[in-house]
Amino acid sequence: DAGVIQSPRHEVTEMGQEVTLRCKPISGHDYLFWYRQTMMRGLELLIYFNNNVPIDDSGMPEDRFSAKMPNASFSTLKIQPSEPRDSAVYFCASRLLAGGRTDTQYFGPGTRLTVL
Amino acid sequence: RKEVEQDPGPFNVPEGATVAFNCTYSNSASQSFFWYRQDCRKEPKLLMSVYSSGNEDGRFTAQLNRASQYISLLIRDSKLSDSATYLCAVNRWGGADGLTFGKGTHLIIQP
Repeated sequence: DAGVIQSPRHEVTEMGQEVTLRCKPISGHDYLFWYRQTMMRGLELLIYFNNNVPIDDSGMPEDRFSAKMPNASFSTLKIQPSEPRDSAVYFCASRLLAGGRTDTQYFGPGTRLTVL
Repeated sequence: RKEVEQDPGPFNVPEGATVAFNCTYSNSASQSFFWYRQDCRKEPKLLMSVYSSGNEDGRFTAQLNRASQYISLLIRDSKLSDSATYLCAVNRWGGADGLTFGKGTHLIIQP
């Protein structure tokens, strides 16, 4: 059974360039989360979707960041323009909240982004 | 006060010893609590959920103290393979919400 899939696994780009991170959640899961992890700030929630609809984007740091979920099996996180302080590991996670029961969030392997 | 706080460690513990970590949270409305394990350069993986009555899974025991707003993780008979970073996580709405993580406690089990 495939887990959460993220691409690319590593991205090195130059300041000012557009970066697009991709995520395929586990099939059937109805929640999708984007997190960012840095040494300084730890693991932070950026945005999450329920049934493809953005629910809370209060963690998105600035307007340079945007996320979409056009269908149940695909989401993107875009940074435009990128800055060196955006360097981090970006994780996507998905979860099935069935019948109101809390369930596990499954994390993808992450995308390690370096902005030069 | 940060939402979720943990002692970053590192905790250097001899193999076979018992080790315990605490994690405090600031939001009294928090509903669900978890311990995640993260290996170096890997994604976090759920270790265990933390229930009000406390729960045990093999060598691991988790406790919740709502009055003092902390959760704890106890590892008995520690193994070399337990070396990792342990993240506590909290969410507000019993599942229908993202997680707020602590920065993690780094555990090193020494032979």
